[in-house]
Amino acid sequence: AQSVTQLDSHVSVSEGTPVLLRCNYSSSYSPSLFWYVQHPNKGLQLLLKYTSAATLVKGINGFEAEFKKSETSFHLTKPSAHMSDAAEYFCVVTPNSASKIIFGSGTRLSIRP
Amino acid sequence: NAGVTQTPKFQVLKTGQSMTLQCAQDMNHNSMYWYRQDPGMGLRLIYYSASEGTTDKGEVPNGYNVSRLNKREFSLRLESAAPSQTSVYFCASNLGGELFFGEGSRLTVL
Repeated sequence: AQSVTQLDSHVSVSEGTPVLLRCNYSSSYSPSLFWYVQHPNKGLQLLLKYTSAATLVKGINGFEAEFKKSETSFHLTKPSAHMSDAAEYFCVVTPNSASKIIFGSGTRLSIRP
Repeated sequence: NAGVTQTPKFQVLKTGQSMTLQCAQDMNHNSMYWYRQDPGMGLRLIYYSASEGTTDKGEVPNGYNVSRLNKREFSLRLESAAPSQTSVYFCASNLGGELFFGEGSRLTVL
């Protein structure tokens, strides 16, 4: 069985400062991990994915995430927040490509001017 | 490029009524999913279909049924709607673990 925990329901940062959104997972198998973003009243968009290649994964809009097996973590970071980054972010785990795909509860990112 | 198409986009039901949410994808993906999204709870998996002819329960299957009619279509049925089923429903298909979503269906049960 797999599960995913997003450690913060809400994160608020100032524009131009770093962003850290935390995600821990549990999986019986070597998982694939994803981050999705949902802007207000919009659908979900893939930010980045880890599928057992490089442990540091780069995504769209300057985001990146590092897979740390020893810590069972897949935290999302960005060096400098922009107002347009305000959205809900979801961490997702799947043990293989044709099984249950489970979402974290989401982290709402707010950006202060 | 239609991708994943859900209908209807909006629906209001009375308690006890039934309805079916339709979903179709034109990307030839094997796996399809139904999620519901509620504030503060992320997306919760209702049912999924790993391939044509198979369906499996997700995290919150009670009160729902599904049909994988063919490779393209995966419908979600509420037999007797309850106010607790007021939510936004998303259908998705899967390629290599990456989900491709429809635009969502907002359902209100009075």
